[in-house]
Amino acid sequence: GAVVSQHPSRVICKSGTSVKIECRSLDFQATTMFWYRQFPKQSLMLMATSNEGSKATYEQGVEKDKFLINHASLTLSTLTVTSAHPEDSSFYICSARRQGRDTQYFGPGTRLTVL
Amino acid sequence: LAKTTQPISMDSYEGQEVNITCSHNNIATNDYITWYQQFPSQGPRFIIQGYKTKVTNEVASLFIPADRKSSTLSLPRVSLSDTAVYYCLVGDISGGYNKLIFGAGTRLAVHP
Repeated sequence: GAVVSQHPSRVICKSGTSVKIECRSLDFQATTMFWYRQFPKQSLMLMATSNEGSKATYEQGVEKDKFLINHASLTLSTLTVTSAHPEDSSFYICSARRQGRDTQYFGPGTRLTVL
Repeated sequence: LAKTTQPISMDSYEGQEVNITCSHNNIATNDYITWYQQFPSQGPRFIIQGYKTKVTNEVASLFIPADRKSSTLSLPRVSLSDTAVYYCLVGDISGGYNKLIFGAGTRLAVHP
């Protein structure tokens, strides 16, 4: 059980454009989803926490107007990188947590390259 | 949030048992200990989770002493495919806000 998918797995875009990444929990309902970013050879950095039906909570230093998060249903959260710049190029990973006492399950990640 | 300390890297050989120890001196009463494995360009994969004493599943064992200030992930008879980064995290999984903060992790290299 506990499968999380992400789409797309890889995306290349031009500087200034916006990119949407989807995170889906396939076999469970996720009351909370998380978005992380990981640069090469570094650890995962939590960007924001997304609760279904409410606004996301962003970590310090993460621009909420640049990284738009929508958690519209119990199985889907989206991260939109607006006006992307080359420095936004990174590996974006989501995770999902079921209701109650449970751990987080991670998606396979999305590689974003901004030219 | 409890911070964790792990060795930056470890080396082992195929067939050996590998033990990775994690320190979490400030662990709270409601915190659980969770270990993840990550391969390059993939999301972390859940390995094992525990609260106290010993937990064992099909891939690993987790040893937690009574004071819970540390934990040890034990991988029996590693193979080349176990080469990965291993993360130890602590957090309250019973609450509604299960925020996990990743440390640097331990980079395990398994050699032939």
